[in-house]
Amino acid sequence: KAGVTQTPRYLIKTRGQQVTLSCSPISGHRSVSWYQQTPGQGLQFLFEYFSETQRNKGNFPGRFSGRQFSNSRSEMNVSTLELGDSALYLCASSLVDGVYGYTFGSGTRLTVV
Amino acid sequence: AQKVTQAQTEISVVEKEDVTLDCVYETRDTTYYLFWYKQPPSGELVFLIRRNSFDEQNEISGRYSWNFQKSTSSFNFTITASQVVDSAVYFCALSEVSGGYNKLIFGAGTRLAVHP
Repeated sequence: KAGVTQTPRYLIKTRGQQVTLSCSPISGHRSVSWYQQTPGQGLQFLFEYFSETQRNKGNFPGRFSGRQFSNSRSEMNVSTLELGDSALYLCASSLVDGVYGYTFGSGTRLTVV
Repeated sequence: AQKVTQAQTEISVVEKEDVTLDCVYETRDTTYYLFWYKQPPSGELVFLIRRNSFDEQNEISGRYSWNFQKSTSSFNFTITASQVVDSAVYFCALSEVSGGYNKLIFGAGTRLAVHP
């Protein structure tokens, strides 16, 4: 059974650019959530999607957005990148929600220069 | 407000020592789930255990054991006879019914170094 797949694994972008990260959940999982991990702030919740609808959102500026497709794959987008956006972005999937537990991908390491 | 505290930033032990990682949580909900995850250097968060708020039974899985005490809002994790492969960052997390169970609140993590 394939796990949660995140692409790309590494990304280097310039300040002011925008970036799109992709996440393919485990087959059959309909909930996809995104987390940002930085040394200073730790692991922070960005947003969660279920059946193409955003159900929950963390305290991040509007530059951070996401979407989910009908096949449950999800993308997150960060516009007008800032140096502080450099982080490991982790995607997690679940059957429905946390009651069933979450499986995480290996993450995308974004560096903004 | 909901919060997870892992007071131990780093722990260093010698192989075969037992080690306990502490986790204290705050929530107003009576229904919630607690998790432990392991993060090796590769970055992926590896699921270790999920416990709901109504199940206070302690659990043992091989060298790992968990002690859940609602009275002290703690969910501690013990590794018996630690091994070098246990070296990683360990995270405790909370998921609440008021949050729809679709958001994890993480502690800051405890970095465990097991030396040969």
